[in-house]
Order: sequence, then C-alpha cells, then structure tokens
Amino acid sequence: GAGVSQSPSNKVTEKGKDVELRCDPISGHTALYWYRQSLGQGLEFLIYFQGNSAPDKSGLPSDRFSAERTGGSVSTLTIQRTQQEDSAVYLCASSLASQTQETQYFGPGTRLLVL
Amino acid sequence: AQTVTQSQPEMSVQEAETVTLSCTYDTSESDYYLFWYKQPPSRQMILVIRQEAYKQQNATENRFSVNFQKAAKSFSLKISDSQLGDAAMYFCASKWGAQKLVFGQGTRLTINP
Repeated sequence: GAGVSQSPSNKVTEKGKDVELRCDPISGHTALYWYRQSLGQGLEFLIYFQGNSAPDKSGLPSDRFSAERTGGSVSTLTIQRTQQEDSAVYLCASSLASQTQETQYFGPGTRLLVL
Repeated sequence: AQTVTQSQPEMSVQEAETVTLSCTYDTSESDYYLFWYKQPPSRQMILVIRQEAYKQQNATENRFSVNFQKAAKSFSLKISDSQLGDAAMYFCASKWGAQKLVFGQGTRLTINP
C-alpha cells in the first residue's frame, strides 16, 4: 500500500517568509510524528499527534513553529518568519498507534532551505 | 536524559564481507524497543530491524542481525555479505515510555567494490 508522503519535496524560501510543510500518513495510522534532521543537531523530535490532538509538543524549537492535524489524517507543519537556522530536512512518520511497540514509518522528507 | 550513542561516524567494508555497526543506549525503563534505520541518499528512512527489549533472542532479518546485550545496554547491527545497495547512513534508535524515537548520530557505511 501507499507509504507516508510529504510535500513539497524541496522548498527554498527567503528569510522572514512563512512556509507550510505537508504530511500524508499511511491510511489507518492514528499516530503521526514530525522530526527535523540538520547537520549540527542530527535527528530531533518536534511534535507527535495521536488522532488530532498533540500530547507532546516538547520538541518544537520556538513559538514560530506550529503544527496541526485534521480528520486524523493529513498534518501541516508551519514555520513562521523563517530563519536561516530553520534550514533542514523535515521528516514525517506515522504508526498504527502510539504504543511503545509500534514501528514508525517515515516519509521522504521535505528539504527546506532558507536564504 | 535518554540517549542513544553511535561511536562510529563512518565505516567501510569490502563487498561480500561482514560489518558490525555499534550502538549503546541509556534508559531506566523496562519496556522499550530498539531499531536500526537505513537512510540512503534518497533521504527516506527505511526500517532495517527491530528488537523488543523483553526478548532474549536476537532479531534477524535476512542478512541483517543484531547483537542485543541488555545488561551492557548495547545494540549492534551486523550486516553479512555486504552489497553495494547497503551503502547508506544507519541510525540506531530507541523508543520507550514516551512515544518519540530517540536517535543516535548515525554511521555512514561505505561499500567498496
């Protein structure tokens, strides 16, 4: 079946602009995760959704970052007033549920470059 | 803080040979899972193998196997009969209590023909 999809694949923006990154999880997966992968910081957790609610937002680096999930499916990660340090690959993953034993399946990521 | 450590930034191996990638972790939890993910240049993280902490038997998936030493908090990945397609970044990760994955820094594996 279809895997996790993310769009756009690549995004170039100017400092100060807002960007929206989209994630379509595997059908039927109730849990959805956002991670950021950057050269200096490795892979960092950003936020996790169970259904439409976000029990853990602890990884969001600043209040410029927000995310929502609608209909228990698609999620959007929004970065306002982008900064150069926001340049990274943003990875989305989904799992059948949020229990410890559930494997997370990843999308291909969105590469964001802030000029 | 919960941590996962990969001490080998880069490894290389001759095609058809065997290579072992190291990973250690730190947790006080009893219920946790360990994973190895592969990330080729395409960026997509692909699950290679997973291990349940409560299982004593080491997980195996075709040419990939793990050496899980629970007391030592060690979780190494062995790749047998290395193939050119195995070249990638390999990430060790753990999942316990909280729902997020905690990743190591990664090991870049090169396969020499």
